[in-house]
Amino acid sequence: GDSVTQMEGPVTLSEEAFLTINCTYTATGYPSLFWYVQYPGEGLQLLLKATKADDKGSNKGFEATYRKETTSFHLEKGSVQVSDSAVYFCALGPNEKLTFGTGTRLTIIP
Amino acid sequence: DGGITQSPKYLFRKEGQNVTLSCEQNLNHDAMYWYRQDPGQGLRLIYYSQIVNDFQKGDIAEGYSVSREKKESFPLTVTSAQKNPTAFYLCAGRRGATGELFFGEGSRLTVL
Repeated sequence: GDSVTQMEGPVTLSEEAFLTINCTYTATGYPSLFWYVQYPGEGLQLLLKATKADDKGSNKGFEATYRKETTSFHLEKGSVQVSDSAVYFCALGPNEKLTFGTGTRLTIIP
Repeated sequence: DGGITQSPKYLFRKEGQNVTLSCEQNLNHDAMYWYRQDPGQGLRLIYYSQIVNDFQKGDIAEGYSVSREKKESFPLTVTSAQKNPTAFYLCAGRRGATGELFFGEGSRLTVL
């Protein structure tokens, strides 16, 4: 079945550092790929998405490129801020239900 | 304001009691979902519903029940048969064919 493997956390970075959170997937067909973010005590919010190979999703300075050849959708940001501290989830779909990774907790220190 | 509204945000119950978590949406989403979140385990699907009066089990449905009597509402009951009910519960609605989910803010259930 479909599955998502995420980089294990927690990840701690200094403000303005470069961020990469790895995500690889296993799926049949041509899934859409998503990154969701969860701030403390809240539900998940869609951060970005890509619906086909070589698409790049971007939002709030975050980017991820759908790489079919490496079955990856790594999340990157050039300069992180304290406000980026959250848990990040990679997910794939559509199908009837999304399949989520286990989440990566990111903490940014000033 | 609108979206996916979950209530209550925090809930405490004694072991052996049934508990119902509310999920309401005004986004006209056809499909709705309940997920359970535990530390280090990501999100696990409990139940989902694609149309009114129909729902399917997810990966961890045992000990839970749902109903979908109207499009806007998808309540989850955590029954006494659920062995370890303490968790954070998330309701979501799905928009269109892309599978993008919109989440509520969650309900944290603690069983004493």
